Amino acid sequence: EVQLVQSGAEVKKPGESLKIACKASGYIFTTYWIGWVRQMPGKGLEWMGMIFPADSDTRYSPSFEGQVTISADMFINTAYLQWSSLEASDTAMYYCARRATFGTAGDFWGQGTLVTASS
Amino acid sequence: QSALTQPASVSGSPGQSITISCTGTSSDVGGNNYVSWYQQRPGKAPKLIIYDVTSRPSGVSNRFSGSKSGNTASLTISGLQTEDEADYYCSSYTDNGTPFYVFGTGTRVTAL
Repeated sequence: EVQLVQSGAEVKKPGESLKIACKASGYIFTTYWIGWVRQMPGKGLEWMGMIFPADSDTRYSPSFEGQVTISADMFINTAYLQWSSLEASDTAMYYCARRATFGTAGDFWGQGTLVTASS
Repeated sequence: QSALTQPASVSGSPGQSITISCTGTSSDVGGNNYVSWYQQRPGKAPKLIIYDVTSRPSGVSNRFSGSKSGNTASLTISGLQTEDEADYYCSSYTDNGTPFYVFGTGTRVTAL
C-alpha cells in the first residue's frame, strides 16, 4: 500500500529556519517524482515544485523558486521541504504528493503538515 | 502563471448531475491533454479523481467524468450524493520553458 506520511505540525517565529519531511512507503521511492503543494488558510492549492529522488533533479514553480528548497534522501525514502528564514506569509498547510503519471501533480498525497509562522 | 478559473460554488439536488468548468489558456488546458481533477473534503488531503482529462484512477466512482473543449475542461458528477460535498480543484500541466503544474481556483459543491 502506497503511503506518504508527513512530519507533524510546526510553530515557528518569523526568521527561523524549518525543514519538514515526507516519508514514503509501499513503492520504489526512486522511480517517482515527489512534489509539494501549498494551501494557505481558506485558500486553494498551489504547486511549489518537485524532485526526482534517484538523482535529485528538482523543478520549481517560478512563484517559489528561491523561496524554499526541496530535497530528498533516497536511503530513507524521505523528501523534504525547507525554509532558511520563515515569513508570516508562509503560514499554511503543506502537502507532499507522488507524481505517478506525467500529467498529474499527484496521485497519492500525504496527510499534510501545518506550518504556523507567528511572533 | 495565473490560476485556472473555476466557479466559486455549484449546487444541486441529490440525484441530479452537475458540471464544474475549468478555464485556462492555450499554454495549459488548451495546449495538452494533462488535466486532472481533485476532490478535497474538509480537513483532508486532496484526492485524485480524474487524470489525463478523462481517465479515472482505480476505485473512483464512475459517477465522476471529465471532458475538455478548447481552453476549458469540465468535471461532471452524475447522480449527486451528499458524500460528494467537497471542494474540487482542476489542475493542468504547463510548460513555458519550465515545466510545472497550475491549479484551479476551486469550486465548493453542495448537495441541497
